[in-house]
Amino acid sequence: KQEVTQIPAALSVPEGENLVLNCSFTDSAIYNLQWFRQDPGKGLTSLLLIQSSQREQTSGRLNASLDKSSGRSTLYIAASQPGDSATYLCAVIGKGIYNQGGKLIFGQGTELSVKP
Amino acid sequence: EAQVTQNPRYLITVTGKKLTVTCSQNMNHEYMSWYRQDPGLGLRQIYYSMNVEVTDKGDVPEGYKVSRKEKRNFPLILESPSPNQTSLYFCASSFLSRAGGANVLTFGAGSRLTVL
Repeated sequence: KQEVTQIPAALSVPEGENLVLNCSFTDSAIYNLQWFRQDPGKGLTSLLLIQSSQREQTSGRLNASLDKSSGRSTLYIAASQPGDSATYLCAVIGKGIYNQGGKLIFGQGTELSVKP
Repeated sequence: EAQVTQNPRYLITVTGKKLTVTCSQNMNHEYMSWYRQDPGLGLRQIYYSMNVEVTDKGDVPEGYKVSRKEKRNFPLILESPSPNQTSLYFCASSFLSRAGGANVLTFGAGSRLTVL
C-alpha cells in the first residue's frame, strides 16, 4: 500500500532564505506527483505537477524534483517571503482498478512559517 | 470563472439523517474526486471518478456513496451519517493526462460537516 511521508512537519525560517521541503513515497509505480499549498481554513491550490517521466518542474520561485527510483520528491522555494507561509502538501497519483491513475495519496504536510 | 463548487459549505445534522453534498465543475474535466480532512490524519481520498459512470473507491469509502451520471456533477451521499463522519470535505477535478492519470487538480472551497 502506498505511503507518503513529508519531512519536516513544521519549518520556521527568516524571510529571504531558500528552503527545501521533502516528500517520500513507498511505491514507485506512480502516474505523477503534485505539490499543493493550503492556507488556514481554505482549500488547496496546485503549485506544481511532475509527470512520472519527468525529473523536475519549475514555476517562478518554486522548483520541484522527482526521483521515482528512490521514491523522493523535493520542493525548493527560493527567496522565501512571509506570503509563502502556509501548509505544503505533496500527493502521488497511482493506479486504481481500471488501470488508470485516479488514486491519490497525500502526505501529512509541512507547515511553513516565514518570519519578516 | 473556472471553478469547483461545493454545497453546502457548512452543515450540522444528526445521526442517521441522509444527506448529500453536491460538487459541480464547469471546466469539462473528466476526473472528479472527494476527500476528507481530519486533524492528525490529513487528507484522505474517499471516492474518485475517471469519467461518467466510472467510479472507484479511495482509501476511506466506508459510509459514503457516489454517482457520476453527468460529467459536471459528482455528489457525495451519506446514507446514514454518524459522528465519525464529522469532517472537512473537499471535492476536486482535473483533465486526464495522455497517460490516463489525473492531472492538475482544482479543489473546491470545502464543506464543513458536523454530525451530532
